[in-house]
Amino acid sequence: AQTVTQSQPEMSVQEAETVTLSCTYDTSENNYYLFWYKQPPSRQMILVIRQEAYKQQNATENRFSVNFQKAAKSFSLKISDSQLGDTAMYFCAFKPGAQKLVFGQGTRLTINP
Amino acid sequence: NAGVTQTPKFQVLKTGQSMTLQCAQDMNHEYMSWYRQDPGMGLRLIHYSVGAGITDQGEVPNGYNVSRSTTEDFPLRLLSAAPSQTSVYFCASSGTGMRQPQHFGDGTRLSIL
Repeated sequence: AQTVTQSQPEMSVQEAETVTLSCTYDTSENNYYLFWYKQPPSRQMILVIRQEAYKQQNATENRFSVNFQKAAKSFSLKISDSQLGDTAMYFCAFKPGAQKLVFGQGTRLTINP
Repeated sequence: NAGVTQTPKFQVLKTGQSMTLQCAQDMNHEYMSWYRQDPGMGLRLIHYSVGAGITDQGEVPNGYNVSRSTTEDFPLRLLSAAPSQTSVYFCASSGTGMRQPQHFGDGTRLSIL
C-alpha cells in the first residue's frame, strides 16, 4: 500500500523563524508527484508547492522550499521568514498516477508573534 | 472563475436520513473526487471519477454513492446516514496528467446525530 507519514502532529515557532515540516512516503512507483497543501482555519485547501520525482532539483516557491530525497522517500517543507498567515494545517500528498492523491495525517503549524 | 463549488457548507442530519452533497466545477476537468477529513487522519478518498459516466471506489466508499452524468457535476449521496459519517467532506477536480494539482472546494461540514 502507498502511504504518507507526517510524524509531527503539531509544531510552533516564532514569527520570522524558519521551520521544517517532515514527510515520508512509501511506494514502489518510480515516477510520481509530491505536493504540500496548506489548510488555514478557513478550511480551504491551498496548494503550496509540488515536486516531480524525476527532477533532482528541489522546488522553490518564494519563502517555501522542499528537500526531496528520493532514495530516502522523504519530502520535507521548509518555510523561511515565517509569517502569522502561515498558521495552518499542512498536508503532504503523494500522487502515483494521473488521478489519486494520498494524504498524510497533517501537521498543525502555529506561528507565534 | 468559480472553480469548485460545494453545497451546502454545513448540514445536520439525523441517523437514517439521506442527503446529497453537491459538487460542480467550471474548469472542464475530467477528474473529480470526494474526500472526507477526520481529525488525525488527513483526507481519505471516498470515490472518484475520470470522466462522465465513469466512477470508481476509493479508500473508504462504504455508505456512499456517486454518479457522473456530466463533466461539471459529481454529487455524493448518503443513502442512510450514520454517526460515523460525521466529517468534513471535500470535493476536488483536476486536469488529466500526473502534474496537475487537485483544486478543492471549500468543504461541507456534516454532522449526523
